[in-house]
Amino acid sequence: AQKVTQAQTEISVVEKEDVTLDCVYETRDTTYYLFWYKQPPSGELVFLIRRNSFDEQNEISGRYSWNFQKSTSSFNFTITASQVVDSAVYFCALSGLQNTPLVFGKGTRLSVIA
Amino acid sequence: SQTIHQWPATLVQPVGSPLSLECTVEGTSNPNLYWYRQAAGRGLQLLFYSVGIGQISSEVPQNLSASRPQDRQFILSSKKLLLSDSGFYLCAWRDYRDGELFFGEGSRLTVL
Repeated sequence: AQKVTQAQTEISVVEKEDVTLDCVYETRDTTYYLFWYKQPPSGELVFLIRRNSFDEQNEISGRYSWNFQKSTSSFNFTITASQVVDSAVYFCALSGLQNTPLVFGKGTRLSVIA
Repeated sequence: SQTIHQWPATLVQPVGSPLSLECTVEGTSNPNLYWYRQAAGRGLQLLFYSVGIGQISSEVPQNLSASRPQDRQFILSSKKLLLSDSGFYLCAWRDYRDGELFFGEGSRLTVL
């Protein structure tokens, strides 16, 4: 069975601090996909990234970066120089191939304080 | 471009009343469709998914049901709502290439 664990329930940081959101996953599949989504207070889920299990290169997109470590089954998300607009719930998710459904972690609520 | 819409956005229903939430996708064919529920302060729970018309897979046994009468339409229903059915319901679609999941705006259901 697939499982995603986001051990940090809530994180609070001061604006401009860097923050890392942890994600650990479990799967028996050799090929799988990992995702991160952002859920702002409005409720709608916003896609941030999808990563194939064969691609272990870290990715950077502006202030966002992702560290995929297959050896530790982790896919951590770092926000550099956090801003108040980054305040949201962030979800990590996992899926296998053949359009199997995404399994989500319980989410991490990030509060960035001005 | 593809879009997904679900309605109603907000619903307040008494216990024991029926429920119907609708979701439609535009700009794509034969999408995989999903219903997730998010209880207050909790993660996303997969309720149903469908890979084609009339094909529904249920993940959690409960008093909810889903139907897919058309290729791009997905409906979540209940004959009699329970208090525990309150939550934020999200419809989503995904194409056959194992891409990302695209979510609708969500429907907030409160059962009183």
